[in-house]
Amino acid sequence: QSALTQPASVSGSPGQSITISCTGSSNNVGSYNFVSWYQQLPGKAPKLIIFEVNKRPSGISDRFSASKSGNTASLTISGLQAEDEAHYYCCSYAGSRTFSVFGGGTKVTVL
Amino acid sequence: QVQLVQSGAEVKKPGSSVKVSCKASGGTFTNFVFSWIRQAPGQGLEWMGRIIPIHGTINSAQKFQGRVTITADKSTSTVYMELNSLRSEDTSMYYCAKYTDSGDGFDVWGQGTMVTVSS
Repeated sequence: QSALTQPASVSGSPGQSITISCTGSSNNVGSYNFVSWYQQLPGKAPKLIIFEVNKRPSGISDRFSASKSGNTASLTISGLQAEDEAHYYCCSYAGSRTFSVFGGGTKVTVL
Repeated sequence: QVQLVQSGAEVKKPGSSVKVSCKASGGTFTNFVFSWIRQAPGQGLEWMGRIIPIHGTINSAQKFQGRVTITADKSTSTVYMELNSLRSEDTSMYYCAKYTDSGDGFDVWGQGTMVTVSS
């Protein structure tokens, strides 16, 4: 049972926008602006695509955007492309005793 | 460009220990903070712990306390994760990862080390 709850799967057609939610609690997402998102392609290590709620590392497409409201963070992929088909994980800081917690992951399928 | 290169796959018996290494290159080792994160086959990511090599601070997830040891060797720019009392549920891909400069998020990952626990 992951500390952060994500939908198991989300799908969309090429060109569409999709949003993945990440629901935590006041112990993690709701209390800190330290939410990150990762894209994991099959057989590969995860790749950071968002940090500090809504910042993109250098080289990450601006088709990826993110936000947070209360205990829920969200990742939006706009202009969906076939190469976006992957698993996506959210992660939040959860204080100085628990540190980092992950969501269970969301499989994105491009129809 | 920081790179993390991990040691190779391991097969272990239940009750034994495993030690995985992660060698950093391309940056100043003592400027970094590293975490260990694991992923069981077909499952999600699980944070295990972190180390701040410059002063040796170590924090681990409550689930692993008493069973995981995280160390760093500044002379070789290598971090280690040792997990003991292995059980079948520990069969996972183990990743080392570096925190971003701001301290949130893991921007560089090792290639992963598969640890299989089987009798």
